Amino acid sequence: KQEVTQIPAALSVPEGENLVLNCSFTDSAIYNLQWFRQDPGKGLTSLLLIQSSQREQTSGRLNASLDKSSGRSTLYIAASQPGDSATYLCAVKGSGGSNYKLTFGKGTLLTVNP
Amino acid sequence: GAVVSQHPSWVICKSGTSVKIECRSLDFQATTMFWYRQFPKQSLMLMATSNEGSKATYEQGVEKDKFLINHASLTLSTLTVTSAHPEDSSFYICSAQKDHNEQFFGPGTRLTVL
Repeated sequence: KQEVTQIPAALSVPEGENLVLNCSFTDSAIYNLQWFRQDPGKGLTSLLLIQSSQREQTSGRLNASLDKSSGRSTLYIAASQPGDSATYLCAVKGSGGSNYKLTFGKGTLLTVNP
Repeated sequence: GAVVSQHPSWVICKSGTSVKIECRSLDFQATTMFWYRQFPKQSLMLMATSNEGSKATYEQGVEKDKFLINHASLTLSTLTVTSAHPEDSSFYICSAQKDHNEQFFGPGTRLTVL
């Protein structure tokens, strides 16, 4: 059974700081990995999707890496802003076909202080 | 593109009543939709996978007679919580899959059962 762990559970940083969020998964046989953002009481916004054959994806100030063999992914946020404050979720899709389910971590609650 | 809506965004009902939640993909056709449940400060737990025109596949521990799922078209799936009780109070989120790869999430529905 796939298990996804995110460290740290919470992180508070001053505005402008670069930061890294960590995600690990137990079964390396994945189809892809996604990073999401969730604001309080809201749904999920997809940030980055990395296919199993890829090593990293970038979007603006965000960079996500994937090391499938070691079961790890990181989300790097450059020059953090108060608007980045949210819960960040990591999810992996199993390799049992394209319709296989996503398994989520519990998330990292990020607070960026002005 | 790839917008998913949910209706209602929140609902309060009396114990014993049934509540229907709609999930719509607004600008794409989704052959597969997923229903998740999220408790406070917890991650998303997959409840069921819904394929258009066929019966939903429920995760272990999810009562299919309690949580009725209908996926009547390529843009609409519904979740009906039957005979709701206070323990069913939660945040329900749907997602729709596009291109056999990425899932796009709705904004969620907050259910409170009194």
